[in-house]
Formats: sequence, structure tokens, C-alpha cells
Amino acid sequence: GENVEQHPSTLSVQEGDSAVIKCTYSDSASNYFPWYKQELGKGPQLIIDIRSNVGEKKDQRIAVTLNKTAKHFSLHITETQPEDSAVYFCAAIDVGNEKLTFGTGTRLTIIP
Amino acid sequence: EAGVVQSPRYKIIEKKQPVAFWCNPISGHNTLYWYLQNLGQGPELLIRYENEEAVDDSQLPKDRFSAERLKGVDSTLKIQPAELGDSAVYLCASSRTSGGSGNEQFFGPGTRLTVL
Repeated sequence: GENVEQHPSTLSVQEGDSAVIKCTYSDSASNYFPWYKQELGKGPQLIIDIRSNVGEKKDQRIAVTLNKTAKHFSLHITETQPEDSAVYFCAAIDVGNEKLTFGTGTRLTIIP
Repeated sequence: EAGVVQSPRYKIIEKKQPVAFWCNPISGHNTLYWYLQNLGQGPELLIRYENEEAVDDSQLPKDRFSAERLKGVDSTLKIQPAELGDSAVYLCASSRTSGGSGNEQFFGPGTRLTVL
């Protein structure tokens, strides 16, 4: 089955700086890679996703890049704001069993 | 549109007691998922329903866990008897359909279970 590794586990950045979170996956057949943001006491919320036929996708301050050859994808947040503080999860879908496999999460703290 | 609704939000029970969680998915969503989230970890799939059919329950500990989705709408996840190691957050999610091409899964707020 799919295995997703995520780094770093914690990340602190100054407000206004950029944050980068990286993930690797094991199954070369995976073709959908969502990123979720989870705030305290809430369920994960999709913030951006990318499919395997695209190398990069951007939505305002958030961007995701995908390198299929290396089997890794990254989340980039620019001009960070205090409300970006949360736990972020990457995920990959196993096309064999249609199962979404999550990384272990990154706790992002924005320092005012 | 209303989001995924779960209840209760918190539950504290003693070990060996039964417990049940309820989920109401987003209207029109055919696929429903139950996930387990341990502290500091990502969600792990327990079971996936397509309408009323459980199409993937390979990760569900069937000796103590059971689930149902009567009429293909609401779903209930039950644990009987609960063990200390079952303490976690139980998340419900729904999507319009499932598939390798990816369909956004919408998560509920979860039920935090504490087993004493």
C-alpha cells in the first residue's frame, strides 16, 4: 500500500515569511495529492490539491508543486499570517484501493 | 450547504463499556468515510461506504468495531467493548463519489473519545 512521509513535524516562521512543507510518497501509481489544514478541535479542511498531470498549482498565497519522478510534493505558503497557524497534512490516494493515505502532519506556528 | 455533522463531540467512558458515534454527511454525498485519528497523527481510514454498501472495511477491527449506514445517508460507528487504546478522535467525512481521480472529502469536527 501507499506510504506518505511528511517533514518537518514542526515549523515556526516569522509573520510575513514563507513556509514550506515537504512530503514523499511510495506508490508511483498515486495520482491525486491533497493538502489539509486542521485547526484545534476541528476536522481537516482541504486547502489545495494537485493531480499527477500537473506540476504546479497556485491559489493566492498557497502553492503546491509535484515531482512525479522523485515522488515528492510540497506545500508553499507565502506572506504567512497568524491565522495560518495550524496542523497541515499532506495525503496521496492509492488508486488500487481508492484509499487516501495521510502524512503525519506538520504543526505550523506563525510568530507575530 | 451544511457541513458534515457528528455527535457527540466528546465522550468519556470506562473501559469495557460500549460507545456509539453518529454522522450525518453532506446532502447528496454518496460516499461516507470513518477515520481514526490518534494524537499527533494523520487520519487513518476505518471504513468507506458507497451509499449503503461497505466497500472497504479492511482496517476496521471487526472483533469490537461495527458500522452501519442504513438507507445510505446517516451512519453509526460502534465500539463494544471499548479498550484504553481506543482513545482517539473519530472523524467522519463524505464526498460526492470516490475514485482514483480524487474527489474532495469533507470532514466533520470529529468525536473525541476518552476511555478510562
